[in-house]
Amino acid sequence: GAVVSQHPSWVICKSGTSVKIECRSLDFQATTMFWYRQFPKQSLMLMATSNEGSKATYEQGVEKDKFLINHASLTLSTLTVTSAHPEDSSFYICSARVQAYYGYTFGSGTRLTVV
Amino acid sequence: KQEVTQIPAALSVPEGENLVLNCSFTDSAIYNLQWFRQDPGKGLTSLLLIQSSQREQTSGRLNASLDKSSGRSTLYIAASQPGDSATYLCASNSGGSNYKLTFGKGTLLTVNP
Repeated sequence: GAVVSQHPSWVICKSGTSVKIECRSLDFQATTMFWYRQFPKQSLMLMATSNEGSKATYEQGVEKDKFLINHASLTLSTLTVTSAHPEDSSFYICSARVQAYYGYTFGSGTRLTVV
Repeated sequence: KQEVTQIPAALSVPEGENLVLNCSFTDSAIYNLQWFRQDPGKGLTSLLLIQSSQREQTSGRLNASLDKSSGRSTLYIAASQPGDSATYLCASNSGGSNYKLTFGKGTLLTVNP
């Protein structure tokens, strides 16, 4: 149980375009979801926390106008990278807190390459 | 601010060996601690979750311990297999309004056949 499905698993886009990444909780309701970014051989860096029905909370240094987060339902959160640039190329992972045991479950990640 | 450190950064062992991965954290006021596995290019798979009131958790060949007072957790892997090769991450959850996780940088484990 407690599965988060993340799509797409990889995407290549041109500079200046926008890319949307989806995370769905399949068998539980995720009131809070987290979005991370991971550079090669580095640990996860928290970008933002999204709560269903309210505005996301962004970590210091993360541009909220560039990384748009929407958490419109208890099972879906989306991250849109707007006007993507090559430096946005990274591995993005979502996570949801599992209320039952206050642990976390993670999506499979999205490899974004901006060319 | 919580800081999580994992030692060693990389470990290479022959198949069948028992091994220990270490995780230390600076703020002992944690809610729980979770160990994850990450395969290259993949997301994180939860291995074990230890609540602050617990001392250890076991799942198959894995055993995780927690010593809050010393700010340490260990992940013990018995009879290692090549399929155990991956990066192992520990993360502390300090509770609060959003229960954010603080991750260590991970230990890259290679089990050689």
